[in-house]
Amino acid sequence: AQKITQTQPGMFVQEKEAVTLDCTYDTSDQSYGLFWYKQPSSGEMIFLIYQGSYDEQNATEGRYSLNFQKARKSANLVISASQLGDSAMYFCAMKNTDKLIFGTGTRLQVFP
Amino acid sequence: DTGVSQDPRHKITKRGQNVTFRCDPISEHNRLYWYRQTLGQGPEFLTYFQNEAQLEKSRLLSDRFSAERPKGSFSTLEIQRTEQGDSAMYLCASSLYGTGRFDEQFFGPGTRLTVL
Repeated sequence: AQKITQTQPGMFVQEKEAVTLDCTYDTSDQSYGLFWYKQPSSGEMIFLIYQGSYDEQNATEGRYSLNFQKARKSANLVISASQLGDSAMYFCAMKNTDKLIFGTGTRLQVFP
Repeated sequence: DTGVSQDPRHKITKRGQNVTFRCDPISEHNRLYWYRQTLGQGPEFLTYFQNEAQLEKSRLLSDRFSAERPKGSFSTLEIQRTEQGDSAMYLCASSLYGTGRFDEQFFGPGTRLTVL
């Protein structure tokens, strides 16, 4: 069965510092996709970044980068230069056929 | 710019009542998904449509739940005889499948259901 594991219930980071949010996954498929979403207190899921299993380079989107280690089945999100507005829940997800399977999330709090 | 919209945003109901939620996807999107998110958890897949066809239903979707997408546009999710365990955030997402991208799902703001 496919599964996403996020072992950090909460993380703190000081403004302007970088932070890494951990994500490991389990799948027997060769072709899969990994996503990170941000969920602020308003509830809407905001897409951040995508990594395909066959992508040779780690994905980057502005201040977000994905540290993809296929052999370890990990897809950690790195946020550089944290901002107060980054405080939110962050979910790692994997595409299973046509639906997304989400982890339990990490609550990130950025302090001044 | 019109993203995915959901109505209502909040719903409080008594146990045993029926409720219906509506989702309006991004206009050209052919796929529409429903997820449920309980407190402290990530969203869990419920069902999805491609145009008007319902292609997959999760085992989470009991007989009390029904979803429709008439004419392949908006969708409704109905819960009959609500139970306290149905209290959750119900999220809708849409995507444009078949463009060669990774089928990015765009989420709506959700409907928060509280069953008393």
